[in-house]
Amino acid sequence: AQSVTQPDIHITVSEGASLELRCNYSYGATPYLFWYVQSPGQGLQLLLKYFSGDTLVQGIKGFEAEFKRSQSSFNLRKPSVHWSDAAEYFCAVEAGRRALTFGSGTRLQVQP
Amino acid sequence: GAVVSQHPSRVICKSGTSVKIECRSLDFQATTMFWYRQFPKQSLMLMATSNEGSKATYEQGVEKDKFLINHASLTLSTLTVTSAHPEDSSFYICSPRDRAGVGLEAFFGQGTRLTVV
Repeated sequence: AQSVTQPDIHITVSEGASLELRCNYSYGATPYLFWYVQSPGQGLQLLLKYFSGDTLVQGIKGFEAEFKRSQSSFNLRKPSVHWSDAAEYFCAVEAGRRALTFGSGTRLQVQP
Repeated sequence: GAVVSQHPSRVICKSGTSVKIECRSLDFQATTMFWYRQFPKQSLMLMATSNEGSKATYEQGVEKDKFLINHASLTLSTLTVTSAHPEDSSFYICSPRDRAGVGLEAFFGQGTRLTVV
C-alpha cells in the first residue's frame, strides 16, 4: 500500500524567508502527487499537482514543487513566505484506487 | 475547478442523536464518492468509498452501521452519523470523483465540523 511521509510536523520561518516542506512517498510506480493547504477550521485548497511531464510544477500563491523519482520525494517550495501562508500543508498521493493518501501534515508558522 | 457543496459546515448535536451530512457535486457526475475524517491536529483518513447505486466500502476500523452512506444519485451523497458519541466529533470531508479515471484533480467539499456533546 502507498504511504506518505511528511517528516516535519511544525516549521517556523520568518516572513520573506524561503520555505521548503518535505514529502516522501512509498509506492511501486509513479503516483499522482498533490499538495494541499488547510487554514484552521477550513477545507482543503489545492496548491499544485504532478501527474507527468516536467518534474518542476508551478502552483498557486507562488508555490512550486519538484518531483524526484530517485528520492521518492515531492518537496514544496516557496522563495519568499508571506504571513498569510501560515497554515497546515498536506502532501497526498493517488495511487490507483483514486482515493488520496495524505501525509500527516506540516504546520507552518510565519514570524514577522 | 469543480464545484462541490457540503452541508452543514458546522453542527453540534447531543450524544445519541443522528446527524446527516450532504455532499453535492454541482457540475459533474460523481460516480464515486470518498468520505474522509480528520481528527483534531491529525491528517485526513479515508473512511469509506461509495459508487453510485452500490453499497459503500468501508476502511478497516470504520463501523458501517454507525456511518451510513447513501449514494443514490450522481450528484448527491450523504453520510449519516448514527447514535453519535463525543468520540465521533471530527471534521468530515467528502470528495466526489467522476468516471474519467485516475489522475484527475481531486475536489473536496468544504468539510463539516461535527461536535457531539
